[in-house]
Amino acid sequence: AQRVTQPEKLLSVFKGAPVELKCNYSYSGSPELFWYVQYSRQRLQLLLRHISRESIKGFTADLNKGETSFHLKKPFAQEEDSAMYYCALSGGGTSYGKLTFGQGTILTVHP
Amino acid sequence: GAVVSQHPSRVICKSGTSVKIECRSLDFQATTMFWYRQFPKQSLMLMATSNEGSKATYEQGVEKDKFLINHASLTLSTLTVTSAHPEDSSFYICSAREERYEKLFFGSGTQLSVL
Repeated sequence: AQRVTQPEKLLSVFKGAPVELKCNYSYSGSPELFWYVQYSRQRLQLLLRHISRESIKGFTADLNKGETSFHLKKPFAQEEDSAMYYCALSGGGTSYGKLTFGQGTILTVHP
Repeated sequence: GAVVSQHPSRVICKSGTSVKIECRSLDFQATTMFWYRQFPKQSLMLMATSNEGSKATYEQGVEKDKFLINHASLTLSTLTVTSAHPEDSSFYICSAREERYEKLFFGSGTQLSVL
């Protein structure tokens, strides 16, 4: 069974500090990993997908297959980064898009 | 960018009534859409995969007769919560798969409150 674990429900940092949101997964094949962000009262927005190796709003994430992790990092957090962050996993082929979400991490960046 | 419209954004209904939620891809065709449910302060749980022109595929534990899914066109999937009860109150979110670039787009969600 596929599973995504985000161990931190809440994470608080000060503006300008580095931030890392942890994500671990279990999947028997080759998954595609995503990070989504949900700002207050808004729809889910794609932040990153590992396959495209994009960097959005200064966030990066590296897929570590040995540790089955896909941690989200940003060197200098900004107040506008405060939001709910979800790590998600999808299989490939016809299963692409069937997302298994982690529990989410609420990031608060203090001024 | 591609947009998915979900309607209504909020609905309040009486127990025993049925509620229909629409998910529409505005500028692309989506043969596959997905329906999720999100309880307060919890994660999104996949309910079903909606396939254009064929029956939806439901996840384990999701009642097919309770949550009717229809995907009659390439741009529209509907979720009908039949004979709604207070325990069906939740936030429902759809997503659509854009095939050409293999991208996913989410609707803005529907908050269902059953009194």
